[in-house]
Amino acid sequence: EVQLLDSGGDLVQPGGSLRLSCAASGFTFSNYAMSWVRQAPGKGLEWVSGISGSGTSAFYADSVKGRFTISRDNSKDMLYLQMNSLTAEDTALYYCTTAPTLTTSRNWLDPWGQGTLVTVSS
Amino acid sequence: QSVLTQPPSVSGAPGQRVTISCTGSSSNIGAGYDVHWYQQLPGIAPKLLIYGNDNRPSGVPERFSGSKSGTSASLAITGLQAEDEADYYCQSYDSSLRAVVFGGGTKLTVL
Repeated sequence: EVQLLDSGGDLVQPGGSLRLSCAASGFTFSNYAMSWVRQAPGKGLEWVSGISGSGTSAFYADSVKGRFTISRDNSKDMLYLQMNSLTAEDTALYYCTTAPTLTTSRNWLDPWGQGTLVTVSS
Repeated sequence: QSVLTQPPSVSGAPGQRVTISCTGSSSNIGAGYDVHWYQQLPGIAPKLLIYGNDNRPSGVPERFSGSKSGTSASLAITGLQAEDEADYYCQSYDSSLRAVVFGGGTKLTVL
């Protein structure tokens, strides 16, 4: 069974940093692109960042470019999101999810982790 | 403001048919990129409902169908059931933004 387990969410002060992790199992991790998608309280889905299966290509939403860094360790089947210079607007439930590719039509996101909550507040 | 535009809400009585539209532009849906749809029940992670415009993953009822034309796509739900009450999101790829893009979401209420 394909499973994604998100973790690392916490309460952090504005300007602070946090690292999210996602443990994957049940599929050949390196064959799939991975993404982080967030959902602010009461709001819709926002794609945050994605990385190719090999890890050589990474993409970011304009809202996080220069502050967030996505990475993966294919030897451990792990996905990460390093978040720096956090603001209140980054408060959200962060989901890790997978897709066959990122930049073609084969970029449907399935499955999704359970989400990990990031709260940015003083 | 989402790149893909969806109506904020739709509603229908049990047994009826409803449609949810998703309007994009020449850099995403109009550029030929497929549209995918997700269902999000309250308090639960989104679930893939339709992929590649009109394909249903295993386990998704035939009551759900998708279509795409030009710069728009639609999700149709026939034989509405109470359990269909959820938020629905469309998703595609935008070549100008070099980003995965979502619609703002549509809340379906079953009357």
